[in-house]
Amino acid sequence: AQSVAQPEDQVNVAEGNPLTVKCTYSVSGNPYLFWYVQYPNRGLQFLLKYITGDNLVKGSYGFEAEFNKSQTSFHLKKPSALVSDSALYFCAVRDGGSSASKIIFGSGTRLSIRP
Amino acid sequence: KAGVTQTPRYLIKTRGQQVTLSCSPISGHRSVSWYQQTPGQGLQFLFEYFSETQRNKGNFPGRFSGRQFSNSRSEMNVSTLELGDSALYLCASSLGIQANEKLFFGSGTQLSVL
Repeated sequence: AQSVAQPEDQVNVAEGNPLTVKCTYSVSGNPYLFWYVQYPNRGLQFLLKYITGDNLVKGSYGFEAEFNKSQTSFHLKKPSALVSDSALYFCAVRDGGSSASKIIFGSGTRLSIRP
Repeated sequence: KAGVTQTPRYLIKTRGQQVTLSCSPISGHRSVSWYQQTPGQGLQFLFEYFSETQRNKGNFPGRFSGRQFSNSRSEMNVSTLELGDSALYLCASSLGIQANEKLFFGSGTQLSVL
């Protein structure tokens, strides 16, 4: 069975500092991993995905994520946080070995950037 | 291109009633999926449709059902509403059914059950 864990409900970072939002996963086949962001009163927006290839994936708004197979992790990172990055972030996994697999989302991490 | 459109934006119902939510995907997208978002449970997958066929279903009771029409528009129905059904219901669309495709989400329907 697939699962995703986001161990931190909330992450607080000062503007200009680097940020990391953690995600670990469990999947039986090849992991397809995604990050989505949700701004207040909005639906989710796609940030980036890892399918195969380079372990460091770059996405929208300056975000990147590193796939680590041995640690089954896919942490989201940004070198310098902006106040506008404050939002709810979801990690998601899908079993790449099956087109019929469901997408499973983590519980979400609220990122708060203080000026 | 217009994004994913969900209607209505807000709904207030009482226990025991039923409700129908609507989702219009991005033009050309043939896959539609539905999710329930609550503060305590996060984002839970409800079901996924492609070419009018349900491809996947999450772990929800039979009170939750859906369908997809030939124009790819989708509806979700919840019968015999319970207080615990209060949530933000999100719809997402994608071009097809490949596992690596990104999802495009609507703004959701906020359902309150009194």
